[in-house]
Amino acid sequence: SQQGEEDPQALSIQEGENATMNCSYKTSINNLQWYRQNSGRGLVHLILIRSNEREKHSGRLRVTLDTSKKSSSLLITASRAADTASYFCATDARGAQKLVFGQGTRLTINP
Amino acid sequence: EAGVAQSPRYKIIEKRQSVAFWCNPISGHATLYWYQQILGQGPKLLIQFQNNGVVDDSQLPKDRFSAERLKGVDSTLKIQPAKLEDSAVYLCASSLDLAQGAYQAFGPGTRLTVT
Repeated sequence: SQQGEEDPQALSIQEGENATMNCSYKTSINNLQWYRQNSGRGLVHLILIRSNEREKHSGRLRVTLDTSKKSSSLLITASRAADTASYFCATDARGAQKLVFGQGTRLTINP
Repeated sequence: EAGVAQSPRYKIIEKRQSVAFWCNPISGHATLYWYQQILGQGPKLLIQFQNNGVVDDSQLPKDRFSAERLKGVDSTLKIQPAKLEDSAVYLCASSLDLAQGAYQAFGPGTRLTVT
């Protein structure tokens, strides 16, 4: 079963705009991670946020975590064509010691 | 640092045939994972190894799927016999220690088509 649910399923924006993707989950977590997958490739780790953290930045990426709402968001600022990919959130549920991935958001950046 | 290696990259077989995938994790990574990713979905964990012991295989269809991790390094995943619904990308990943919040490094995957 999928722990994380991403929203929207697909997002298409113009280059230079910001892209926001959301993830909701069901159980208590140790941490939440975001991954990117380019078409036909493996997943690449983007950022990890721990359950006691509320916000984290990495370059043009900003991740927030609200454990009271069991949700997270990934913001990509000043998008580029190379950001076109699928983005997955993955949760490390307490006591599970494994990641459970959501269905992903398919992001398309139009030049 | 070399990444996670997988082979083959692509495989086409007929239903009821058998197939095997190979994975070489990042050196020093104790934990190894096999995922199945059906088109349009997120990866689903099939089996997780810690060194050469199985930690979680609850979603592995054991009547047809098997996996082993020899000497706690390389791993193979086998499907015998294959069904049409096994068509997917099979991803291998490794990590240092998930309990410490480590991220997973993924290989490029093997795209399996069962006809």
